[in-house]
Amino acid sequence: DAGVIQSPRHEVTEMGQEVTLRCKPISGHNSLFWYRQTMMRGLELLIYFNNNVPIDDSGMPEDRFSAKMPNASFSTLKIQPSEPRDSAVYFCASRRTSGVNSYEQYFGPGTRLTVT
Amino acid sequence: RKEVEQDPGPFNVPEGATVAFNCTYSNSASQSFFWYRQDCRKEPKLLMSVYSSGNEDGRFTAQLNRASQYISLLIRDSKLSDSATYLCVVKTGGFKTIFGAGTRLFVKA
Repeated sequence: DAGVIQSPRHEVTEMGQEVTLRCKPISGHNSLFWYRQTMMRGLELLIYFNNNVPIDDSGMPEDRFSAKMPNASFSTLKIQPSEPRDSAVYFCASRRTSGVNSYEQYFGPGTRLTVT
Repeated sequence: RKEVEQDPGPFNVPEGATVAFNCTYSNSASQSFFWYRQDCRKEPKLLMSVYSSGNEDGRFTAQLNRASQYISLLIRDSKLSDSATYLCVVKTGGFKTIFGAGTRLFVKA
């Protein structure tokens, strides 16, 4: 089975531009998470979805960040306008919430974002 | 107090050594526990789940102490390839999963 797929793997953009990160969770997983990781703050949960519904977005830093999950196989994280302090690695993770190995999260390879 | 706390290390150990990490959690209602491993510039990967009775996977042993609210990871016969950051993960009620900041391990020849 394919793991969690993220695109792009690397993104370099200028301050003020819109950035869209994409994620395809593992088929059959019904929860999806967006994380941000930096050296200073470690791994931070931004938002998570269950059955395509946002459950907790309290980690989203500010209104410049938005996330959607239009269906079970696709999610986006958008930053508009981007700022240099948004530079980080953004991970998407998914898990199932019932059955064997439920609640074990599987991470995508991440998107390394650099905002200049 | 952080919900999940780990000693950041780094732990520097020679090959063949035994090393142990602890992780404490604050929510007594926490339900599930995991150890993840993260290599430099890579994504976190599940190392093992932690069961109430403790569990072992080769050189790795995980323990849960609910009374004292901590979990531990023991690595025996350390290999160079064990060098990584080890993340403690706790699932509280509902859907929330909390990652610790990680403990860095360096295994040297």
